[in-house]
Amino acid sequence: DAGVIQSPRHEVTEMGQEVTLRCKPISGHNSLFWYRQTMMRGLELLIYFNNNVPIDDSGMPEDRFSAKMPNASFSTLKIQPSEPRDSAVYFCASSPDRGRNTEAFFGQGTRLTVV
Amino acid sequence: RKEVEQDPGPFNVPEGATVAFNCTYSNSASQSFFWYRQDCRKEPKLLMSVYSSGNEDGRFTAQLNRASQYISLLIRDSKLSDSATYLCVVPGYNFNKFYFGSGTKLNVKP
Repeated sequence: DAGVIQSPRHEVTEMGQEVTLRCKPISGHNSLFWYRQTMMRGLELLIYFNNNVPIDDSGMPEDRFSAKMPNASFSTLKIQPSEPRDSAVYFCASSPDRGRNTEAFFGQGTRLTVV
Repeated sequence: RKEVEQDPGPFNVPEGATVAFNCTYSNSASQSFFWYRQDCRKEPKLLMSVYSSGNEDGRFTAQLNRASQYISLLIRDSKLSDSATYLCVVPGYNFNKFYFGSGTKLNVKP
C-alpha cells in the first residue's frame, strides 16, 4: 500500500497566485481530511469529506480556500489568491471509518511558502 | 475551551529517564483516544490507541482517566530516538473528525 500521496511536496509561489494542492487517499478509505500546520496554531482541521461529500468545512479560513473531492481517489485544496499568511504545511489524511478502531493516516504534506 | 489541550513542553530528559505527558479533553462522551508521534518536518504517525482504561506497548503506556477527562502517555527508559512531538488526538462524533492537541515536544539528551 502506497499510503496517502500528496503533491507537490514543496511549493513556493508569489502572493496573489493560485495554488492547488493534491491528495490521493488510501484505497478503500471513506474519510479524507485536509489539515494545516503552523508553529503558532499547530494542526488545524480545514475540511473533511466522507464518501466524497464535504461534511464539515468550518475550519476553512476564508473564501480564498476551496476543496473538492470529485471521486474516491482524488482531492484538491485550492487557495486563490494566495497570501504570505497561508504559508504552512498542508497535510491530507484518510481513514477507513471503522468506528472506534479508526485511525487517520497522513500523507507527507505539502510545504507551502507564499512570498 | 479547546477540544484537546496539551502542555507544549519542551520536556528535556536524559537517556534512560521516565517521562509522562498529560492531555485533557472537553467532550465527556469521547470513547477512544490516540497518541500520534510527529518527527521534525514529517507527518504525524499513530503511536498508540486508548479505548478503555489504558494500553501498553513495550516502553510506552497510555492511560485514560475518564473522571478527570485526561489521558497520559508514559515513556520508560527514554531513547534518543524518542525525541519528537507527541500529539494527543480525540475523535469527534461518529469518529469522522479528529481533534489534535498542539503537541508536546520531547528532547531526549545523551
